[in-house]
Amino acid sequence: GQNIDQPTEMTATEGAIVQINCTYQTSGFNGLFWYQQHAGEAPTFLSYNVLDGLEEKGRFSSFLSRSKGYSYLLLKELQMKDSASYLCAVRDNKAAGNKLTFGGGTRVLVKP
Amino acid sequence: EAQVTQNPRYLITVTGKKLTVTCSQNMNHEYMSWYRQDPGLGLRQIYYSMNVEVTDKGDVPEGYKVSRKEKRNFPLILESPSPNQTSLYFCASRSPTSESTDTQYFGPGTRLTVL
Repeated sequence: GQNIDQPTEMTATEGAIVQINCTYQTSGFNGLFWYQQHAGEAPTFLSYNVLDGLEEKGRFSSFLSRSKGYSYLLLKELQMKDSASYLCAVRDNKAAGNKLTFGGGTRVLVKP
Repeated sequence: EAQVTQNPRYLITVTGKKLTVTCSQNMNHEYMSWYRQDPGLGLRQIYYSMNVEVTDKGDVPEGYKVSRKEKRNFPLILESPSPNQTSLYFCASRSPTSESTDTQYFGPGTRLTVL
């Protein structure tokens, strides 16, 4: 099975940086995804890591360390519209259909 | 436009009254899933289907049924809904491969309240 942990909630100020950590345990790791989800809406894809290192996409970056079972999502130059939940999800190639399992999500509140 | 659609978006019903939530995708994806999302519990998979006529239980299947008669459609059936099935439901689809950014697409969600 899989176990994915991320903080429940974080608060940051507009213009600042926030780092959301995710730790996971899985038998057949084959990729880690980050999704953004605004309240009451569907999750939308943000980033993907399968090799160790940093992937940068504009104001958002995601890092992966497979040996540590650890990832983080870095949000820079925070804007009010970044207030949302951020979901970490791990793909397991030993599960049927390469199952994607989600963490509980981290709610980020951006204050003026 | 690639999309997953769900209907209805909102539903209030009473205990025991059978209901179906429809899901359709236009990306020719083999793999489809249903999730429920509850505060503090995240997204939990109810059922999934790897192709037509191939369905299997996810992590929380009790009280639900699904069918996959066509590739594009994957309805979720609650034969006898109960209040503990009040939740936000998402349908999703993707290719079942393990290649690169093979991301999962979500429907807009169905908010179900069972009284």
